[in-house]
Amino acid sequence: DTAVSQTPKYLVTQMGNDKSIKCEQNLGHDTMYWYKQDSKKFLKIMFSYNNKELIINETVPNRFSPKSPDKAHLNLHINSLELGDSAVYFCASSQAIGRQTQYFGPGTRLLVL
Amino acid sequence: AQKVTQAQTEISVVEKEDVTLDCVYETRDTTYYLFWYKQPPSGELVFLIRRNSFDEQNEISGRYSWNFQKSTSSFNFTITASQVVDSAVYFCALSGNAGNNRKLIWGLGTSLAVNP
Repeated sequence: DTAVSQTPKYLVTQMGNDKSIKCEQNLGHDTMYWYKQDSKKFLKIMFSYNNKELIINETVPNRFSPKSPDKAHLNLHINSLELGDSAVYFCASSQAIGRQTQYFGPGTRLLVL
Repeated sequence: AQKVTQAQTEISVVEKEDVTLDCVYETRDTTYYLFWYKQPPSGELVFLIRRNSFDEQNEISGRYSWNFQKSTSSFNFTITASQVVDSAVYFCALSGNAGNNRKLIWGLGTSLAVNP
């Protein structure tokens, strides 16, 4: 059984479009995260939710909006996509924020043309 | 502010060599947690180890071993008898125990190439 899953795995789209990435975890964890990994492999946290409540909101353009319908799901919606949004987006989950190990989804490779 | 430094950007070795990946961290928290993750060419992020600040015992798992030294703020990772399948980017990460320090702070990664 997949622990943390993301869809889609690949996303190719035009500038200006709106797109969503979905994430689900079946680990029973309370905390979920979105990370962005750029072409140099730098990992940057974007958001974190704990029991559906937003607890980390880094300096991210407000074109990015996370939504957590329940604690097993954390989706990421991106409006008006820009070339610079091209990256790999990882979802992760952990039992709690901080000291607990984060387990990652397979990543969504977004390419904005 | 917390920080993780992986000074080695790229390492290239020949199969069966031993290789050590360095990780130096900075934190003012007395309780903190250190992690290593592996990112193979396929792209997924794979958890390798978690260590808390009160446990300085070295850890060995097969060909992998970790040396945690609080005196030098280091948490180094050694692969013994490296194999081609060890080729990956390896990330060291740190989280504190309270407030904003609970975010996971990542190093920039060390890209390891193991050549046949």
